[in-house]
Amino acid sequence: SQELEQSPQSLIVQEGKNLTINCTSSKTLYGLYWYKQKYGEGLIFLMMLQKGGEEKSHEKITAKLDEKKQQSSLHITASQPSHAGIYLCGAGQLGAGTALIFGKGTTLSVSS
Amino acid sequence: NAGVTQTPKFQVLKTGQSMTLQCAQDMNHEYMSWYRQDPGMGLRLIHYSVGAGITDQGEVPNGYNVSRSTTEDFPLRLLSAAPSQTSVYFCASSYDRGNSPLHFGNGTRLTVT
Repeated sequence: SQELEQSPQSLIVQEGKNLTINCTSSKTLYGLYWYKQKYGEGLIFLMMLQKGGEEKSHEKITAKLDEKKQQSSLHITASQPSHAGIYLCGAGQLGAGTALIFGKGTTLSVSS
Repeated sequence: NAGVTQTPKFQVLKTGQSMTLQCAQDMNHEYMSWYRQDPGMGLRLIHYSVGAGITDQGEVPNGYNVSRSTTEDFPLRLLSAAPSQTSVYFCASSYDRGNSPLHFGNGTRLTVT
């Protein structure tokens, strides 16, 4: 079965610093999704990447998909306390519709 | 627009009790799914449905039953609760196969003693 590995597991950065979170798949990626979760709440959709080389940005968050490497990265520029939370990557499984599997998440803390 | 609504938000059960976690969406989404989230394990898929009357098992289906009699509702039933089922449960839905993101409910925090 497909597995998604995220790195790092946790991250503490100083406000204003840049950071990158990686998500590596054990199998070919058929769509890669990034979500953010605040403690005690549900997941909020950030971005979806479908094609190799695709890159999307929203405010200060940029996600890229390297299909050949079966990897995606999430980059946050000039981090703010509002960026703190758990970031999860999810991937579609061929033939399973939108029954996504998820990585274990990266916990981000931003110190001011 | 309510989105995905889960009830209850919190629940405490004794071992052996049964209960149903409710999930409803008002977005006319065909696809719905249930996940459980545990520390160090991430989100794991329990069951999912590609439309009314159709359900399938995910990664960790044992101990749970689902049904999908309407497009809007996708309840998750625990037949005989066990402490191993203590977790946070999330329901999610999406518009179509593979090209739309999942919309998540706010979760149900279940404790089994």
